[in-house]
Amino acid sequence: AQSVTQPDIHITVSEGASLELRCNYSYGATPYLFWYVQSPGQGLQLLLKYFSGDTLVQGIKGFEAEFKRSQSSFNLRKPSVHWSDAAEYFCARRDNYGQNFVFGPGTRLSVLP
Amino acid sequence: NAGVMQNPRHLVRRRGQEARLRCSPMKGHSHVYWYRQLPEEGLKFMVYLQKENIIDESGMPKERFSAEFPKEGPSILRIQQVVRGDSAAYFCASSPPTGGETQYFGPGTRLLVL
Repeated sequence: AQSVTQPDIHITVSEGASLELRCNYSYGATPYLFWYVQSPGQGLQLLLKYFSGDTLVQGIKGFEAEFKRSQSSFNLRKPSVHWSDAAEYFCARRDNYGQNFVFGPGTRLSVLP
Repeated sequence: NAGVMQNPRHLVRRRGQEARLRCSPMKGHSHVYWYRQLPEEGLKFMVYLQKENIIDESGMPKERFSAEFPKEGPSILRIQQVVRGDSAAYFCASSPPTGGETQYFGPGTRLLVL
């Protein structure tokens, strides 16, 4: 079955430090890939997406992600984390055979002052 | 342009009651998706609807759950005879008629079953 994995359940970084959140997907055909952020008690906000073309995509709030086919990965990065970035981050792919999204389990980001 | 709207934001039901969750897609969007998020878990797809049609309900539990998206009005996710295990956040997403390349999510309805 198609799946999305996020190996890190919880990550803690200091404010100002760099960040990388990992995401791996299964099944080879180039998928549509997304990163969403969810603040506590809120809905999901789209950070960025990859469909095709340049493998490094820029998103909102200073985030970027790089698609690496050879590693089946789509890791999210930010060079300098702000306290307001503390949230839950979800990687997702669009299902190859339908319209629904398959989500990873999420990575919770904590930011130390 | 208002985003995806869901109501109520919070819903409390006792076991055996019915829960009715509403979703109004973004203006111009005709595709609606429902997802469920259990505590400490990611979102799981439930059902995909277009106006007056259920396109994919492969993620819906076989009993007690139903969804509709009428020609007029919001999409409704109905849960009959709720049980404690139905307690979760239910999110609606919408996408434009061109397809589901990007889905835009509502704020969710948090259902608590006592």
